[in-house]
Amino acid sequence: DAGVIQSPRHEVTEMGQEVTLRCKPISGHNSLFWYRQTMMRGLELLIYFNNNVPIDDSGMPEDRFSAKMPNASFSTLKIQPSEPRDSAVYFCASSLQAGVSYEQYFGPGTRLTVT
Amino acid sequence: SQQGEEDPQALSIQEGENATMNCSYKTSINNLQWYRQNSGRGLVHLILIRSNEREKHSGRLRVTLDTSKKSSSLLITASRAADTASYFCATFQGGSEKLVFGKGTKLTVNP
Repeated sequence: DAGVIQSPRHEVTEMGQEVTLRCKPISGHNSLFWYRQTMMRGLELLIYFNNNVPIDDSGMPEDRFSAKMPNASFSTLKIQPSEPRDSAVYFCASSLQAGVSYEQYFGPGTRLTVT
Repeated sequence: SQQGEEDPQALSIQEGENATMNCSYKTSINNLQWYRQNSGRGLVHLILIRSNEREKHSGRLRVTLDTSKKSSSLLITASRAADTASYFCATFQGGSEKLVFGKGTKLTVNP
């Protein structure tokens, strides 16, 4: 298995532009998680899906952020409009199920820089 | 909000030495997980210890859990330069499905 795939690996954009991050979870995994990592705040859970359904989006910082999972093999995280404070590394992770017994498998991340 | 807090924030040792990292958490847990993150990469799951376990081994890794003190430790024995990475503990908040990570310990193993 190729593991969790994220694209792009690096994104540089100007303030105000729309940014779309993509994720392909491991085949057969039913849960998908989006995290953001910064030096100041560490690793934060933004949103997670079970069986393509968003379960908890309380970590999404504001309405500029949205996430979708149209099918079991694809998810997007969109920021519109982007701001410099959104600069961070965004990780997608998947697991067999959400819940206390399951480890999460992380993708390589997308490093976003908003100028 | 942060559930786990690692200590120390940074650790530098020589190859062959043992490295010990600690994690403290706040609420009751079902299990505690340790992850490793190499520079510029995603996190990799290392080991999971359940709340009814006190110690667990995996290769050169030894994890302990003390639920009375709400703390865990990760010991890496006979460290190698390739162990250089950041190490994170993670727990689930209460009964939720949300895994919460600490800020990590940055380990440097000098050859």
